[in-house]
Amino acid sequence: DAGVIQSPRHEVTEMGQEVTLRCKPISGHNSLFWYRQTMMRGLELLIYFNNNVPIDDSGMPEDRFSAKMPNASFSTLKIQPSEPRDSAVYFCASSRTVRTYTDTQYFGPGTRLTVL
Amino acid sequence: GENVEQHPSTLSVQEGDSAVIKCTYSDSASNYFPWYKQELGKRPQLIIDIRSNVGEKKDQRIAVTLNKTAKHFSLHITETQPEDSAVYFCAALPGGSNYKLTFGKGTLLTVNP
Repeated sequence: DAGVIQSPRHEVTEMGQEVTLRCKPISGHNSLFWYRQTMMRGLELLIYFNNNVPIDDSGMPEDRFSAKMPNASFSTLKIQPSEPRDSAVYFCASSRTVRTYTDTQYFGPGTRLTVL
Repeated sequence: GENVEQHPSTLSVQEGDSAVIKCTYSDSASNYFPWYKQELGKRPQLIIDIRSNVGEKKDQRIAVTLNKTAKHFSLHITETQPEDSAVYFCAALPGGSNYKLTFGKGTLLTVNP
């Protein structure tokens, strides 16, 4: 199994541009998570999908951020317009079920986003 | 909500020594405590976890202890090796959530040869 796949691995863009991050969860996993990692705030959950349906988006910082999961094998996180304070590493993670107590969250390699 | 404090933020040890990283949590109903290792530029990977019905768990050179009364848990690495150098994150799963892990800020462990 290739694990969780994310693309691109690095993204450098200018303020105001649209950024789309992509994730392919592990096959057979029903739960997908988007996290953001910064030095100041550490790892924060942005949004959680279960069976392709967004269940909890309380961590999405503002309306500039949106996420979709059109099918079980693909999800996107979009930032429009991007701002320098969005610079961070964005991780996608997936798990077999929603129950983290019993089913580990497996992280992808992350996308390092730099907004100039 | 849950709050997880992790100490120290950096830790430097000599190869072969032991390393201990401590975390405290605020929600007494938290029931699951994983530890992730993140090497430079890599993804966080689960290395060990413990559930609230267990006080200690060991896997080769790593162990985790949990004190529910004091609301703290610790990662112990014995006979450290240079490849143990990484950032280690603790996390807690609040009792009222199935999935929303709260992470500590991380500890940068450096093992000097």
